[in-house]
Amino acid sequence: DAKTTQPNSMESNEEEPVHLPCNHSTISGTDYIHWYRQLPSQGPEYVIHGLTSNVNNRMASLAIAEDRKSSTLILHRATLRDAAVYYCILGSGANNLFFGTGTRLTVIP
Amino acid sequence: KAGVTQTPRYLIKTRGQQVTLSCSPISGHRSVSWYQQTPGQGLQFLFEYFSETQRNKGNFPGRFSGRQFSNSRSEMNVSTLELGDSALYLCASSHTPGGPGRWAFFGQGTRLTVV
Repeated sequence: DAKTTQPNSMESNEEEPVHLPCNHSTISGTDYIHWYRQLPSQGPEYVIHGLTSNVNNRMASLAIAEDRKSSTLILHRATLRDAAVYYCILGSGANNLFFGTGTRLTVIP
Repeated sequence: KAGVTQTPRYLIKTRGQQVTLSCSPISGHRSVSWYQQTPGQGLQFLFEYFSETQRNKGNFPGRFSGRQFSNSRSEMNVSTLELGDSALYLCASSHTPGGPGRWAFFGQGTRLTVV
């Protein structure tokens, strides 16, 4: 399974944008880029996913590099509720996800 | 619409025993997957079922098994429990295993403690 590399932790001030990077240099042509997050004491929650083009939804934006070897999850205005571990995952399927260690996001009031 | 339901939420078992965990997916979802989460190993994929057939399997010993019923509900079983099996077991469901526009919904998990 293709691997992803994410920083262990990041901090952001409340109401500021957050850019969470993910490197995936061995991505295959059929791999989608999925982002999930896990809030304390909860199961993971879907955030966004994409294949080649940038994607937007009500939670976040996903910017995918032209060579697809990296991507960035963008939270436009961080809130305290966004404090979580964010996972960047590659895969062609929706429900056989191989999680890495993720990035722990701390939001400072 | 109800989310993914896992039962029980908490369980304490003794080494050597076996345990069965249950997962009811979101109505209409036919793909169910199981994951194990521990502080040391993080979130690890166990297996995925679709239409009562196992489609994918992670790197776990044969003591870990599962099945899916015709109503898409799934159970996972762990036999001969070891202390290292103490973990949060998460179930996820999705409409189908893959394709654009598909993503998984996770339950709250079952916290298993082996003593």
